[in-house]
Amino acid sequence: DVKVTQSSRYLVKRTGEKVFLECVQDMDHENMFWYRQDPGLGLRLIYFSYDVKMKEKGDIPEGYSVSREKKERFSLILESASTNQTSMYLCASSLVSSGSYNEQFFGPGTRLTVL
Amino acid sequence: DQQVKQNSPSLSVQEGRISILNCDYTNSMFDYFLWYKKYPAEGPTFLISISSIKDKNEDGRFTVFLNKSAKHLSLHIVPSQPGDSAVYFCAATEYNFNKFYFGSGTKLNVKP
Repeated sequence: DVKVTQSSRYLVKRTGEKVFLECVQDMDHENMFWYRQDPGLGLRLIYFSYDVKMKEKGDIPEGYSVSREKKERFSLILESASTNQTSMYLCASSLVSSGSYNEQFFGPGTRLTVL
Repeated sequence: DQQVKQNSPSLSVQEGRISILNCDYTNSMFDYFLWYKKYPAEGPTFLISISSIKDKNEDGRFTVFLNKSAKHLSLHIVPSQPGDSAVYFCAATEYNFNKFYFGSGTKLNVKP
């Protein structure tokens, strides 16, 4: 079974703090994704990575950065947390598409509250 | 602009009856569609998918229907069970493309 783990289930930070959200997958997947989930808006893609040290912006990258130094680990960084970044953050991974479709496997999520 | 839309934020159904969840999309390049189920405090889990070469895919109590001309898909759950109570997201993607587009979700409540 694919396992995607996220470093924290719940996190409370103050405005202006630098925040690191960590995600690890154990299935040697090339692709990794960071989403945020907000009521009425569904899952919105922040960033994704298709290989080590490679990244691409998703739909809402502003205020975020990412790091992928190892294949199994994908970090989301909030350089200076703001209250509008209070959300549920979900990490996912998948194989690279090579003539097929590959489902994404999700971690349990991190509920981040910025005060 | 959202390319995948779920216009019903919630749905309530009696146990044993049919649940029908709907999803619309705007991008005609989408050719693969998925449904994910999400319980509170857990990540979404894959439920069922359909390729655009089909108009129906069935897996046990779950059936997904695709109407390409209307750019519409639906998930049918028959019979509905209380354990089906969750948020359901539909998602769409293109062949050889790694990015999924998700709808806003429909919260299903199945009453005993």
